Amino acid sequence: AQSVAQPEDQVNVAEGNPLTVKCTYSVSGNPYLFWYVQYPNRGLQFLLKYITGDNLVKGSYGFEAEFNKSQTSFHLKKPSALVSDSALYFCAVRDENFGNEKLTFGTGTRLTIIP
Amino acid sequence: ETGVTQSPTHLIKTRGQQVTLRCSSQSGHNTVSWYQQALGQGPQFIFQYYREEENGRGNFPPRFSGLQFPNYSSELNVNALELDDSALYLCASSFLAGGEQYFGPGTRLTVT
Repeated sequence: AQSVAQPEDQVNVAEGNPLTVKCTYSVSGNPYLFWYVQYPNRGLQFLLKYITGDNLVKGSYGFEAEFNKSQTSFHLKKPSALVSDSALYFCAVRDENFGNEKLTFGTGTRLTIIP
Repeated sequence: ETGVTQSPTHLIKTRGQQVTLRCSSQSGHNTVSWYQQALGQGPQFIFQYYREEENGRGNFPPRFSGLQFPNYSSELNVNALELDDSALYLCASSFLAGGEQYFGPGTRLTVT
């Protein structure tokens, strides 16, 4: 079975500071990893993905994530936070061994950027 | 390029009733997945359709059923609604090849 853990329900960061949103995963095969962002009363917007290759993945809006196979982690990062980054962030995983594209999501981390 | 659309936006139903939610996939995508997002939770996989066939199902009872049409649009049907079915229902489309899924804005279902 595949699973995702987001250990922090809430992360607060001052505007201009670097931010990190943590994610760890568990799969039986190689993971496909994703980050999505959700604004109030909206669907999920894709930020970035890791399938294979370079462990540092760059995505939309200046976000990046680092894949660490030994620690089974895929933390989301941004060098300088903006107030507009405040939203709910979800990490998701798909096991390459599954024939379908089922995504398993974490419970989400609410990111608040303080002006 | 047209994004994923869902209808209706909001819906209020009574316990025991049936509901149909609709989704139009993004242009060029042949796979549709449905998710249920309860308040304060992450989305939970309901099922996926690929070329009009169910291609995987999550831990949801048979009263949750679906269809995919030749144009790759999709429906989610829920029979015998229960209060716990109240949630945001998200549709996502993708092109089956390990690519990312693109989500619609969701349908907010309230069961009273």
